[in-house]
Amino acid sequence: GESVGLHLPTLSVQEGDNSIINCAYSNSASDYFIWYKQESGKGPQFIIDIRSNMDKRQGQRVTVLLNKTVKHLSLQIAATQPGDSAVYFCAENRSGNQFYFGTGTSLTVIP
Amino acid sequence: GAVVSQHPSRVICKSGTSVKIECRSLDFQATTMFWYRQFPKQSLMLMATSNEGSKATYEQGVEKDKFLINHASLTLSTLTVTSAHPEDSSFYICSALRQGGEKLFFGSGTQLSVL
Repeated sequence: GESVGLHLPTLSVQEGDNSIINCAYSNSASDYFIWYKQESGKGPQFIIDIRSNMDKRQGQRVTVLLNKTVKHLSLQIAATQPGDSAVYFCAENRSGNQFYFGTGTSLTVIP
Repeated sequence: GAVVSQHPSRVICKSGTSVKIECRSLDFQATTMFWYRQFPKQSLMLMATSNEGSKATYEQGVEKDKFLINHASLTLSTLTVTSAHPEDSSFYICSALRQGGEKLFFGSGTQLSVL
């Protein structure tokens, strides 16, 4: 859901380790979710998406898990690299094609 | 992939002036475009949803007379910040939904600084 006024939580991981970034969404009617990566001063980049009829989807080095019971999403990044350092947001698609963003997590990869 | 171009990337203006930001979908038609605002180290806040040929739908708390949105064609939406004040300084990002699609593609953002 929306997170106006909240500051980003941070996550630091060692290069090569796996990262898990979590997101809670607010609307049980949301049926489509996207994870975005945002580097400083740039617009968000699409990483991976998942529909509500799935609970897991895998991409290249990334996996998204969806738990509709508790309205929770996670993004897993395998073998994290320095280039993965960025802010990660989940977005939920509510009815009428409106996308709302979660709080975001700032990921720092330590070489 | 779909490309969304946003211009300008950075603008500095005096208080009281108006600033126009353009958002173009370069290789696809976008029936719906969205405008977001982002403060440092915070999430994206949806300001308005813009459908081609119709009036924009504004989120609660967003002044429609201050943030004028025009979506005149399937590839262009503009956001005009009227009578800008320092508190309007922010990072503004547009996004576009491909006709018939569901993925949201983002522009590179515009950093607005009002002096």
